[in-house]
Amino acid sequence: DTAVSQTPKYLVTQMGNDKSIKCEQNLGHDTMYWYKQDSKKFLKIMFSYNNKELIINETVPNRFSPKSPDKAHLNLHINSLELGDSAVYFCASSQVVRRGTQYFGPGTRLLVL
Amino acid sequence: KNEVEQSPQNLTAQEGEFITINCSYSVGISALHWLQQHPGGGIVSLFMLSSGKKKHGRLIATINIQEKHSSLHITASHPRDSAVYICAVISNFGNEKLTFGTGTRLTIIP
Repeated sequence: DTAVSQTPKYLVTQMGNDKSIKCEQNLGHDTMYWYKQDSKKFLKIMFSYNNKELIINETVPNRFSPKSPDKAHLNLHINSLELGDSAVYFCASSQVVRRGTQYFGPGTRLLVL
Repeated sequence: KNEVEQSPQNLTAQEGEFITINCSYSVGISALHWLQQHPGGGIVSLFMLSSGKKKHGRLIATINIQEKHSSLHITASHPRDSAVYICAVISNFGNEKLTFGTGTRLTIIP
């Protein structure tokens, strides 16, 4: 069974569209994260939720809105997609905020045309 | 200058060689992660360190908090170790920001 899963794996869309990426973890962890990896392979944290509450919100445009319906799910909704949003988005989870071992999803490759 | 610097950026070695990847950081930290990103893109957490040394199989990670430096060593390297190795630090002030290094691309030749 996959510990952290993301859907879709690939997403190709036009500029200006709104899209969502879903993440689910079956590890029973309390904390989930979204990361962005740009074309230079540089990873950056975007958001973190602990028990469905937002605890980290790095400098991210407000077009990005995370939603956590329960502690096993953390979805990422992106409004008005821009070319610069093209990247790989990774979801991760850990039992302890920041200091715990993180388990990563396989990534969602987003391409905005 | 990044708060987290890794060296070397790229490393190619023969199978069996002892590998060292370095991570230096400029902020006070409470912990440091080492991650491995496979050629297919998947990311695996290798270690989380706040002091001393940890070992898992052929991998060893050390940290010197005073010198703001960590190393990842691989003994008896193997082509399957070929990956990008990423260091990430958790600052020990404010909102405990998580900052990543730019990664070290390791290629092990058979």
